[in-house]
Amino acid sequence: KAGVTQTPRYLIKTRGQQVTLSCSPISGHRSVSWYQQTPGQGLQFLFEYFSETQRNKGNFPGRFSGRQFSNSRSEMNVSTLELGDSALYLCASGRDYSGELFFGEGSRLTVL
Amino acid sequence: GQNIDQPTEMTATEGAIVQINCTYQTSGFNGLFWYQQHAGEAPTFLSYNVLDGLEEKGRFSSFLSRSKGYSYLLLRELQMKDSASYLCAVREGSNFGNEKLTFGTGTRLTIIP
Repeated sequence: KAGVTQTPRYLIKTRGQQVTLSCSPISGHRSVSWYQQTPGQGLQFLFEYFSETQRNKGNFPGRFSGRQFSNSRSEMNVSTLELGDSALYLCASGRDYSGELFFGEGSRLTVL
Repeated sequence: GQNIDQPTEMTATEGAIVQINCTYQTSGFNGLFWYQQHAGEAPTFLSYNVLDGLEEKGRFSSFLSRSKGYSYLLLRELQMKDSASYLCAVREGSNFGNEKLTFGTGTRLTIIP
């Protein structure tokens, strides 16, 4: 069974640009969550989607957005990038209500 | 909101036992999870507690006391491969469809020979 796949794995952007990250969940998983991981803050919840609807949202500015498609694949977008957005962005999928999340390898974003 | 505290770093000896503590404050507890994350890799699920008591899974055990807002992860017969960060996470709320987990900042465990 294929795991959670995230693309791209690494990317470098400059301030002011925007970025789109993609996540393909494990087949059959309808819940997709996004987390930002930095050395100082740990894993911070961004948002969670289920059946194309955003069910939960973390405390991030509106520059961070996401969506989920009918095949459960998800994308997140960060606009007007800031230096502080440099982080590892992790996507996780899960069977609804289990709480057990299966994480992808992450997309490491560097903003210069 | 939630506040989750766990030690930043711990060191233990190969073959020994180590206990990683986690305390939390939440307005609506609905489960506590432990994840393991090796450097440069994705977190992987270790354990889940929703009721008080001990859950055992091989060399790993996790304990929960809801009244004290306290959990620990116990690792026995430590191996070098257990060197990793251990993340405590709490799920809040009882509404249908809540997969939001709030994570602690993690405990970096180093195993020495």
